[in-house]
Amino acid sequence: DSGVTQTPKHLITATGQRVTLRCSPRSGDLSVYWYQQSLDQGLQFLIQYYNGEERAKGNILERFSAQQFPDLHSELNLSSLELGDSALYFCASSKAGVNTGELFFGEGSRLTVL
Amino acid sequence: SQQGEEDPQALSIQEGENATMNCSYKTSINNLQWYRQNSGRGLVHLILIRSNEREKHSGRLRVTLDTSKKSSSLLITASRAADTASYFCATDPNQAGTALIFGKGTTLSVSS
Repeated sequence: DSGVTQTPKHLITATGQRVTLRCSPRSGDLSVYWYQQSLDQGLQFLIQYYNGEERAKGNILERFSAQQFPDLHSELNLSSLELGDSALYFCASSKAGVNTGELFFGEGSRLTVL
Repeated sequence: SQQGEEDPQALSIQEGENATMNCSYKTSINNLQWYRQNSGRGLVHLILIRSNEREKHSGRLRVTLDTSKKSSSLLITASRAADTASYFCATDPNQAGTALIFGKGTTLSVSS
């Protein structure tokens, strides 16, 4: 158990819909990262927050947005969903704002868009 | 963009054999990390090697880093069936505003 909690574990929805994925980082960790894992693209970095502020941005689509709340949990919002958005979405956390150490990953949220 | 590229994409061995996976990357890095993922589960950190280190050991794992060739290798000695998983290298690029970049992974299958 990494200490990172993601909900929901599974989500099935239709094209055009909007979903919210939630992540609670390990106790004491200030950084939250979101990654998307699909078979053809591998593990793609989406976005990082550190203590409520956006710290780094990767290949995140404009239809996707994220935020980190004062209690440090984070939400990833995916809108106008397309079939290609079907993937495993991982949240990871770390203490620091820079990549000086390991990331602790949650078990992921599997999104299926029909 | 993909920074690390693992090789081979898939590896099948017998229990007791050694498994070697390689990772190549493109830009200068602060550190390189290896992670393991069991099917459909979250990634688990295995080992981190800093850019000024050449070799690191952790139990049955041995990692090497050659910054001149921009490559790293992960050796798992005396493999067990429980080592069956996907292994990813992740690089920490030496530039602000980026996070760990993962390769596509090597799928290791260890049969008993």
